[in-house]
Amino acid sequence: DTEVTQTPKHLVMGMTNKKSLKCEQHMGHRAMYWYKQKAKKPPELMFVYSYEKLSINESVPSRFSPECPNSSLLNLHLHALQPEDSALYLCASSQDPGTRNNEQFFGPGTRLTVL
Amino acid sequence: DAKTTQPNSMESNEEEPVHLPCNHSTISGTDYIHWYRQLPSQGPEYVIHGLTSNVNNRMASLAIAEDRKSSTLILHRATLRDAAVYYCILWGRGSTLGRLYFGRGTQLTVWP
Repeated sequence: DTEVTQTPKHLVMGMTNKKSLKCEQHMGHRAMYWYKQKAKKPPELMFVYSYEKLSINESVPSRFSPECPNSSLLNLHLHALQPEDSALYLCASSQDPGTRNNEQFFGPGTRLTVL
Repeated sequence: DAKTTQPNSMESNEEEPVHLPCNHSTISGTDYIHWYRQLPSQGPEYVIHGLTSNVNNRMASLAIAEDRKSSTLILHRATLRDAAVYYCILWGRGSTLGRLYFGRGTQLTVWP
């Protein structure tokens, strides 16, 4: 199984809502990532988890809260988002976070719209 | 992180070879050159990577200049499915713990 799955595929939420995005992989990878991609722009790294611990936070606002309950699961909790947070949220995983020689596997993304 | 420069867009006809260039004049000796592509409405997917020598896999070939200041991704026979944005990324000493910094990439259009 070389797949990264993300749910939901689409999400519409109001600015006062609380929602969560979910990402799952069963490849035994020990690094997991969240990226944000605005329309017609490249993906931008948000968070990196290494061995289930948060190792990189790219100065992301606290209204985005990541969580890694176990080595296969990665969540992104959303609260009090702004319309400008509307984007495609991509999850990825890789075998070894410290190695420059391995590839990242990406999920299909969750298309988020904040009203 | 070291910067890469790619053309904004390129076009090809189906079943013809495609050479996608990438300049990385500030590359350091420990930087790997990675290529990813993103098909419409999908997440990015890994294509190939290399350090110094040319590399081949089932998807593409990577030709790396002798001075490593540039590289070329080669698709030997373009298909309609290869229409995507192609990203050239350097992953090196300043990019530990999985930091992949995507530049603007090259939009490849393949004509039937």
